[in-house]
Amino acid sequence: DAKTTQPTSMDCAEGRAANLPCNHSTISGNEYVYWYRQIHSQGPQYIIHGLKNNETNEMASLIITEDRKSSTLILPHATLRDTAVYYCIVRVSGTYKYIFGTGTRLKVLA
Amino acid sequence: GAGVSQTPSNKVTEKGKYVELRCDPISGHTALYWYRQSLGQGPEFLIYFQGTGAADDSGLPNDRFFAVRPEGSVSTLKIQRTERGDSAVYLCASSSDRGADTQYFGPGTRLTVL
Repeated sequence: DAKTTQPTSMDCAEGRAANLPCNHSTISGNEYVYWYRQIHSQGPQYIIHGLKNNETNEMASLIITEDRKSSTLILPHATLRDTAVYYCIVRVSGTYKYIFGTGTRLKVLA
Repeated sequence: GAGVSQTPSNKVTEKGKYVELRCDPISGHTALYWYRQSLGQGPEFLIYFQGTGAADDSGLPNDRFFAVRPEGSVSTLKIQRTERGDSAVYLCASSSDRGADTQYFGPGTRLTVL
């Protein structure tokens, strides 16, 4: 079944790049990888998604390995407001069931 | 514009009672999702609506849980005979297209079953 694996927690110094890895080795060939983040007591917020190619938007960059079994979310210049739980998400092929996993708790340090 | 709203923000009930949780999606969004988030865990998929119909209810844990979306907009998640294990934050999300579009989440309803 679809599954994602992420480190439980990470620290990053303010102003430095935060690199958050995710393993999704069971992803199906036509399913996207999505990244969301959740700041305490709020609903998850969309960050970025990708299929095969690397993607970049105003929030982050997403690097997907060629075999699509893992990806890395990059926050290029982390700020204190980026402190949150980051979820790497895949969908179970043939369904609308999105699998969030337990996420990575990122703490940005001043 | 207005985002996804959920009411109530907090609900405290007693074991065995019936509860209804409401979700108002972003206007025009045809896809609507319900998730449940237990403490320290990621959101867990419950059900997906495309328009008025439940296109995927594979995440509903048992027959005490039911959801409706009669006019293709507002949705209500209904839980019968609540149990203490139902205590969680219930999140609603909507998107503008089926399945593959960005989901916009509401702030959630925190349900506590005493």
